[in-house]
Amino acid sequence: DVKVTQSSRYLVKRTGEKVFLECVQDMDHENMFWYRQDPGLGLRLIYFSYDVKMKEKGDIPEGYSVSREKKERFSLILESASTNQTSMYLCASSRGGTQPQHFGDGTRLSIL
Amino acid sequence: GIQVEQSPPDLILQEGANSTLRCNFSDSVNNLQWFHQNPWGQLINLFYIPSGTKQNGRLSATTVATERYSLLYISSSQTTDSGVYFCAVEQHNQGGKLIFGQGTELSVKP
Repeated sequence: DVKVTQSSRYLVKRTGEKVFLECVQDMDHENMFWYRQDPGLGLRLIYFSYDVKMKEKGDIPEGYSVSREKKERFSLILESASTNQTSMYLCASSRGGTQPQHFGDGTRLSIL
Repeated sequence: GIQVEQSPPDLILQEGANSTLRCNFSDSVNNLQWFHQNPWGQLINLFYIPSGTKQNGRLSATTVATERYSLLYISSSQTTDSGVYFCAVEQHNQGGKLIFGQGTELSVKP
């Protein structure tokens, strides 16, 4: 079974802090994704990566950056956290091409 | 961009009942997945079904790509089936980007 692990289930940070959300997958998948989920807005893609050191903007990249230094790890960075970034963050991976995506358990991030 | 519409938005069932959830999409796709999000927020992959029919226990799914819809069928529902069911599609040459529908919130009563 594919295992996608997110570093925290719950996280509380303060406005202006630099926040790192980590995601690791154990299936040697090429593609990795970061989504956020908000009530009434559904799941929206922030960034994705199809190879090491490669990244592509999704639909809502503003205020975020990403890092993929190793194939198995994809990090989402909030450079200066703001209250409107309070959300559920979900990481996913897929083998590449048109293949099913597998999700981590999510991180509920609160910015105070 | 492509539109993904799910119906119904909410559904309440008595345990043991059957139900059909629908996903309509506005353009051709090369990937379609059904997910179940449980009350703890975990998103579980149910089916990868760009076309055809698949079955997994009490769940089955059918995608008719030429008519741009997919159905998720739940038989003999159980309380553990409660949660939100999402349909997500990927268009051609989009690098794996999934577009999600708004979901169907299912509540199964004992």
